[in-house]
Amino acid sequence: DGGITQSPKYLFRKEGQNVTLSCEQNLNHDAMYWYRQDPGQGLRLIYYSQIVNDFQKGDIAEGYSVSREKKESFPLTVTSAQKNPTAFYLCASSIIGRDQPQHFGDGTRLSIL
Amino acid sequence: KNEVEQSPQNLTAQEGEFITINCSYSVGISALHWLQQHPGGGIVSLFMLSSGKKKHGRLIATINIQEKHSSLHITASHPRDSAVYICAALFLTNTDKLIFGTGTRLQVFP
Repeated sequence: DGGITQSPKYLFRKEGQNVTLSCEQNLNHDAMYWYRQDPGQGLRLIYYSQIVNDFQKGDIAEGYSVSREKKESFPLTVTSAQKNPTAFYLCASSIIGRDQPQHFGDGTRLSIL
Repeated sequence: KNEVEQSPQNLTAQEGEFITINCSYSVGISALHWLQQHPGGGIVSLFMLSSGKKKHGRLIATINIQEKHSSLHITASHPRDSAVYICAALFLTNTDKLIFGTGTRLQVFP
């Protein structure tokens, strides 16, 4: 079955530590997205990519970094510069083009130790 | 400013009731999405529409472009419909990214 796989499901970060969240898709989608979800707020876009080796900042990119070395993979690194990293992180993918639905993973919940 | 508002924030219902969730947006859009977030956190796309009405099973989504308003209806609600329902808009002024509402938490009791 095609889909998006995020791992791990739960992740804990120590102060000053970088952590990387994995996102893999086998839907052959060109576009991939990372969102952050906080209680009482809508999903906010961190980064997105429409082609391998290229990506754009979203609304809240500070303290995060991404790479897109393969079409199937779009890992997100939460750096120590992100001072409030506790949140639920969702990865999505879609066919490029206006009005294309996004397919979401099951998310990773990141907490601070 | 591109904004999406949903109401109500929370909704409880008895099994079998007809449910309506509302979504308003600020300016012109090219598409509006309705999403369902399960208690575990995973999100499923329910509908994408730019005009009129779409139906899938017991779910119906409508949109009124002039009033900048969309509704999601659930007929004959069931406890398994309990989830957070999220609307998201693709605004004409920024077609690269979706703007999400804060979601409506629905609980259906048997």
